[in-house]
Amino acid sequence: DGGITQSPKYLFRKEGQNVTLSCEQNLNHDAMYWYRQDPGQGLRLIYYSQIVNDFQKGDIAEGYSVSREKKESFPLTVTSAQKNPTAFYLCASSIDRARGYTFGSGTRLTVV
Amino acid sequence: QQPVQSPQAVILREGEDAVINCSSSKALYSVHWYRQKHGEAPVFLMILLKGGEQKGHEKISASFNEKKQQSSLYLTASQLSYSGTYFCGTASLSSGGGADGLTFGKGTHLIIQP
Repeated sequence: DGGITQSPKYLFRKEGQNVTLSCEQNLNHDAMYWYRQDPGQGLRLIYYSQIVNDFQKGDIAEGYSVSREKKESFPLTVTSAQKNPTAFYLCASSIDRARGYTFGSGTRLTVV
Repeated sequence: QQPVQSPQAVILREGEDAVINCSSSKALYSVHWYRQKHGEAPVFLMILLKGGEQKGHEKISASFNEKKQQSSLYLTASQLSYSGTYFCGTASLSSGGGADGLTFGKGTHLIIQP
């Protein structure tokens, strides 16, 4: 079955560390997105990519970086510059703007 | 700017109806509706496109008033499985109609009791 796979499901980061969250899709979707979810805040856009080798900053890109070297993959790196990284991170993809998003099952990142 | 959802929370008995509203200050291309269970990924329910329309999906339907930039989600004869948090996601005309990502509301918590 087609879908989006996020890994790991849970991730713990020490202060000053960079960590990378994986997002892989086999839906053949061009557009991919990273959202951050905090309690009571809804989903906020971190980065998005409409095509391979191209990506754009979203509303809260500071302290994060991404790459899009393959259509199927859109990894997110949470750098040490992100001061409050503890959150639930969701990856999504879409085939076009008239269709809904498919979300991955998320990665819960905790700073220890 | 985030769309505003109301109410923030609703508690219903099984079989009762609910309406969740989503209002934006921007001219919209589309409105998406998603349901999220605790700790899980949001699940797409439906999309309403510019032009003003209504859509239905089993006992869940929605409307989009383009002039007011408002959308409402209607849950009829609610079932226990409808419990969760409902989010609207909006795509403004100025954001490429959603190609630049959706802006989500803060969510409406729906609790269905037996």
